[in-house]
This record gives sequence, C-alpha cells and structure tokens, in this order.
Amino acid sequence: SAVISQKPSRDICQRGTSLTIQCQVDSQVTMMFWYRQQPGQSLTLIATANQGSEATYESGFVIDKFPISRPNLTFSTLTVSNMSPEDSSIYLCSVGGGALNTEAFFGQGTRLTVV
Amino acid sequence: AQKITQTQPGMFVQEKEAVTLDCTYDTSDPSYGLFWYKQPSSGEMIFLIYQGSYDQQNATEGRYSLNFQKARKSANLVISASQLGDSAMYFCAMREATAGNTPLVFGKGTRLSVIA
Repeated sequence: SAVISQKPSRDICQRGTSLTIQCQVDSQVTMMFWYRQQPGQSLTLIATANQGSEATYESGFVIDKFPISRPNLTFSTLTVSNMSPEDSSIYLCSVGGGALNTEAFFGQGTRLTVV
Repeated sequence: AQKITQTQPGMFVQEKEAVTLDCTYDTSDPSYGLFWYKQPSSGEMIFLIYQGSYDQQNATEGRYSLNFQKARKSANLVISASQLGDSAMYFCAMREATAGNTPLVFGKGTRLSVIA
C-alpha cells in the first residue's frame, strides 16, 4: 500500500496566476499519475510522471499549462499555470499498486477554484 | 471508444435496501482488473473492491460485492443494506495488463443518494 500526502487541500486563486500542487508518497514509486476532475465529471488523466525524465502528457494537456516535476521517487508537483475559471477542478495525484491486481492509491485531492 | 461505461448518472435507494450500480467495459486484453471507488463530497477516492479477469468467483468485501459477468463485459457493484454514509459518487475503473503500473481508466460515475 501507499500513503500519499497532497497539498494544498483547497485553494481559491485569481485568474492569470499559477498554483503548484505537491504530492509526497511514503514509499518509492516508479510512476506517479496526475488526474483532473472537473465539476460533476469523472477523472481524466493529465500526465504520467517518471523520475528522471519528462512527464508524458495525455491528449489535450500540454507541458506549458501543466508543468510537472519529479525530482525523486517519492515526490512530484503539478503546476496549473495562467489559470482561468475553466481550470476550477479537483486535481488528484495517484500511484499504482505496481501490479495488475492492486488498487491505485490517491492523494486527498486539491480542490481548486479560479475566480 | 469509451472503455468504461456507467449508464446511471444518479441513483436513489432507501436506507437498508440493496442497490446495484452498473458498469460495462471494453477491452481486447484477456488480462485486466476492474476496480470500484467511492468518492464522498470531500473528494477523496476510496477503494472498495477489485475483480480480476481470471477470478473464478465474484469478489466480495463486506457489504460490497461485484456481479462479474465476463461474457457480457459487465462488473456491477452491489451494495447491500445501504447506509446514509453510502451517499457518494461511485466510479468503476479498469487497468489492462499491457504493462504493470498503468493508470486506471475511469467511467463517468454514478451518484448514489441514500434516503432515510
């Protein structure tokens, strides 16, 4: 299992500013995943973050808007840049169980409101 | 094409009754895992139950059971004896065995409301 500490838990930000979300895992993991959950919607994968290499972004997400850092095997950050109200969402980091039959573990989520 | 389909945007159930939340999936991989998560209004994702494609029996975990029909590609979650605290969003998710440690793909979710 893995315990993920994610912060901040929530924030209200002005449009045009940036917010950096941090996730700390209590064990070393190869991959970390970042999801966005828009209001009333499902979780959509933003990117996969590997330690020591650039993150791999899903279609519709770009590095300039969502830069990700992965300096070591227990930590990652996601920055939401130049925010607009459309960026208001819950952002979640996750790590896989490492095997097909183990569940994914999630941080507590960051509830972002852009005004 | 959507890999996970949850056709019920919202469901209501009376307290102490059982409820079934539907999930169908699409994959050509013979090896995959199916997961159900609960998301209360706080936003956290709570793992409920897992079913592997090769599992012979339906998974059960306390009041949660999974009605797994492989030929129909369905993995419905059954919650027995509903409680008020079960009111939440429920997501069905899948991981295919393409390479270990792949991210989950989620359905759109079902909002369950338990009525006293």
